[in-house]
Amino acid sequence: GQSLEQPSEVTAVEGAIVQMNCTYQTSGFYGLSWYQQHDGGAPTFLSYNALDGLEETGRFSSFLSRSDSYGYLLLQELQMKDSASYFCAVKISSGSARQLTFGSGTQLTVLP
Amino acid sequence: NAGVTQTPKFQVLKTGQSMTLQCAQDMNHEYMSWYRQDPGMGLRLIHYSVGAGITDQGEVPNGYNVSRSTTEDFPLRLLSAAPSQTSVYFCASSYGDSSTDTQYFGPGTRLTVL
Repeated sequence: GQSLEQPSEVTAVEGAIVQMNCTYQTSGFYGLSWYQQHDGGAPTFLSYNALDGLEETGRFSSFLSRSDSYGYLLLQELQMKDSASYFCAVKISSGSARQLTFGSGTQLTVLP
Repeated sequence: NAGVTQTPKFQVLKTGQSMTLQCAQDMNHEYMSWYRQDPGMGLRLIHYSVGAGITDQGEVPNGYNVSRSTTEDFPLRLLSAAPSQTSVYFCASSYGDSSTDTQYFGPGTRLTVL
């Protein structure tokens, strides 16, 4: 089977930097994705890592280490609007297609 | 483009009732999927489809049926609703199932089964 572990909650102040971790156990690994979900909203795609290293998109960066089965999402210059849940997800091969399997998410609270 | 649309937004059912959650996308995506999200948890895959006429089971398929007669539509049917199916249901679509294919999610249907 597959499993993903994420801390349930993280709190940080506006303007700070926060790192949210994700460890995974899975077979047939194709990459690690990150999704953001505001309360009551739909998940939206943030970033994707297929290879080891850091991917940067504006204030968001995502890191992957395949040998450690570990990744993280880094948010810089935190803003109040960043308060949301952040899910890591791995794509696995099962059945007729590759499927996304999600972690339970990290609830980020940004304080003024 | 409307993206991924879902109806209804909210639904209350009694135990034993059946209903269909509708999902449509106008992006000509081949891959569509249904997830459920319970409070404080991640999304769990119910069923998915890689194209019209092809469907497959995900992690939690029991109690649900799907069909894919067109590229655009992917309805989810609850056969006999149970309180354990109280959840938020999200439909998603992507161009394909490659790792680089971003999944686009609909706004969700909030279902309560009494």
